[in-house]
Amino acid sequence: GAGVSQSPRYKVAKRGQDVALRCDPISGHVSLFWYQQALGQGPEFLTYFQNEAQLDKSGLPSDRFFAERPEGSVSTLKIQRTQQEDSAVYLCASSSRPAPGEDNEKLFFGSGTQLSVL
Amino acid sequence: AQKVTQAQTEISVVEKEDVTLDCVYETRDTTYYLFWYKQPPSGELVFLIRRNSFDEQNEISGRYSWNFQKSTSSFNFTITASQVVDSAVYFCALSPPPYNAGGTSYGKLTFGQGTILTVHP
Repeated sequence: GAGVSQSPRYKVAKRGQDVALRCDPISGHVSLFWYQQALGQGPEFLTYFQNEAQLDKSGLPSDRFFAERPEGSVSTLKIQRTQQEDSAVYLCASSSRPAPGEDNEKLFFGSGTQLSVL
Repeated sequence: AQKVTQAQTEISVVEKEDVTLDCVYETRDTTYYLFWYKQPPSGELVFLIRRNSFDEQNEISGRYSWNFQKSTSSFNFTITASQVVDSAVYFCALSPPPYNAGGTSYGKLTFGQGTILTVHP
């Protein structure tokens, strides 16, 4: 596809359920980021992949959050035993360079998955 | 630690008015990057500009202009002759350089809380 694709667009989960959010980055992009955006707030960094390697997971809020990118393309963010405070929009972003800004390369964002935990 | 403050939560203007969105940042890095992103109702963040901390030249792109003042740690964004299509949430963001001393920072972004801009016809 032409841009970063995220699915599902909306997800409603009951508290305690596990959810999996998918990100299809732009083909060939090396870097992949996940950000969490709570209502009325700016996005906050969760984790970063360079190809299949997860090089930074310092933003993951708890051990219930897990991300993977096994073949260096599609990534999945999994949240186990969801809580109400997990309700947010989860944004995925990718870049053709190892880091956004390098060689003036931009970071491209998807439209996000809006997760609502009831 | 890095921090970005956008003090204006919401701004409402009438079409053709000029509007300035404020951004103040804090960082201990001597080199850093500043960004503005636009988030329309569709949700994706659209890149508008990136500035290197070494380059304090103001920039103009069509109706958009940016004023970078290192002395006051500000990176303000002005839209001239606003249009209804400018209505969106605007985010200012800060990142360390992609490669900093001691390792790589990956250029991860620290965002402000955003300013909701509504342009009325």
